[in-house]
Amino acid sequence: EVQVLESGGGLVQPGGSLRLSCAASGFTFSSFAMTWVRQAPGKGLEWVSSINMGGDNTYNADSVKGRFTISRDNSKNTVYLQMNSLRAEDTAVYYCAKLGGARPYWGQGTLVTVSS
Amino acid sequence: EIHMTQSPSSLSASIGDRVTITCRASQYISTFLNWHQWKPGKAPKALIYTASDLYDGVPSRFSGSGSGTDFTLTISGLQPEDFATYYCQQSYSVPHTFGQGTKLEIK
Repeated sequence: EVQVLESGGGLVQPGGSLRLSCAASGFTFSSFAMTWVRQAPGKGLEWVSSINMGGDNTYNADSVKGRFTISRDNSKNTVYLQMNSLRAEDTAVYYCAKLGGARPYWGQGTLVTVSS
Repeated sequence: EIHMTQSPSSLSASIGDRVTITCRASQYISTFLNWHQWKPGKAPKALIYTASDLYDGVPSRFSGSGSGTDFTLTISGLQPEDFATYYCQQSYSVPHTFGQGTKLEIK
């Protein structure tokens, strides 16, 4: 059974940092790109970051470029999202997903709240 | 980066109606196209993968078609639980980009 489990969300002050983790199981993790998607209050889904299977190519939305860094550890079947210089508009539920290959899988999300 | 365009951006329909949402890729993606359903307060749910394969547990009133650059999602016989926002997403190349979404509302 495939599982995708995010963790690391919480309340952080503007300008602060947070690292999200996403642990995956049930598929060959190192063979697939992984993606972070977020949903802000009252808004739709927004693609945030993606990383290829080897971890040597990363992609970021313009809204997070220079502030967020995606990485992965294939030995731990885990992908990370390091979020720095957080802003109020980064408040959202962050979802980790395997969107490539034959079948996509989503995690249940972790809430990040940026507020003083 | 492949750009995905959905239409319409919103749609009003009645229970029992048949609706179709279209998705166009900016370049060839074969059948590497997924459809997802999202409802506020819930995690996105995968509906269809590789353009036309129904995800586990998804009702047969949902169907997908297309290849190359043009794709459709059809819901035949709308049910109350189908009112949601739908997103297409290409899995042909990283980053796996999304369409902007189609919000399906009750008429």
